[in-house]
Amino acid sequence: DTAVSQTPKYLVTQMGNDKSIKCEQNLGHDTMYWYKQDSKKFLKIMFSYNNKELIINETVPNRFSPKSPDKAHLNLHINSLELGDSAVYFCASSQDLGWEQFFGPGTRLTVL
Amino acid sequence: DQQVKQNSPSLSVQEGRISILNCDYTNSMFDYFLWYKKYPAEGPTFLISISSIKDKNEDGRFTVFLNKSAKHLSLHIVPSQPGDSAVYFCAARGGSGGSYIPTFGRGTSLIVHP
Repeated sequence: DTAVSQTPKYLVTQMGNDKSIKCEQNLGHDTMYWYKQDSKKFLKIMFSYNNKELIINETVPNRFSPKSPDKAHLNLHINSLELGDSAVYFCASSQDLGWEQFFGPGTRLTVL
Repeated sequence: DQQVKQNSPSLSVQEGRISILNCDYTNSMFDYFLWYKKYPAEGPTFLISISSIKDKNEDGRFTVFLNKSAKHLSLHIVPSQPGDSAVYFCAARGGSGGSYIPTFGRGTSLIVHP
């Protein structure tokens, strides 16, 4: 009965590979987000997806792309992984844009 | 450019005492503020929020105070318990004309000693 789930929890991969992280929410929320928590512990917004409208943080490289097959899912695809992509990635959802968010447990990505 | 600042990376208090976590912001368009709590290896969980039309919101042991003129908010935990030991994130979002996507501070690690 997990509200926001992410898979995998840990992901170790080589530079240059392409990987995906899946996120699902069963709260019936309209908005989903992806955040990156870097080594300095900042939680930085990468994307938000609300009623089929994608809002992108312009600082995010275009190697990162969100895919939403339906309202309950927002997956994150990363192409040509780089060392600097190593971080913890959090998925979140909220009833509407900007309201209280429910976070997933995080995916720790390590790029070697 | 950090629009939400939590200048204290850590705070240590004794069980039963008050914990005060501070947060400053620079964007005058922010009109809704949230506090999240995060345990290791877990995602943040929502704790309490406050709208800019209020200066105080209370929920059990947790109270958030907002001083708009100073662009400052604080989270008070009374009495503090060892289970409150976690990282606390302050977040803010803009209203009409601003961005509805919350901006987070870098967090303050609270340690409550028994």
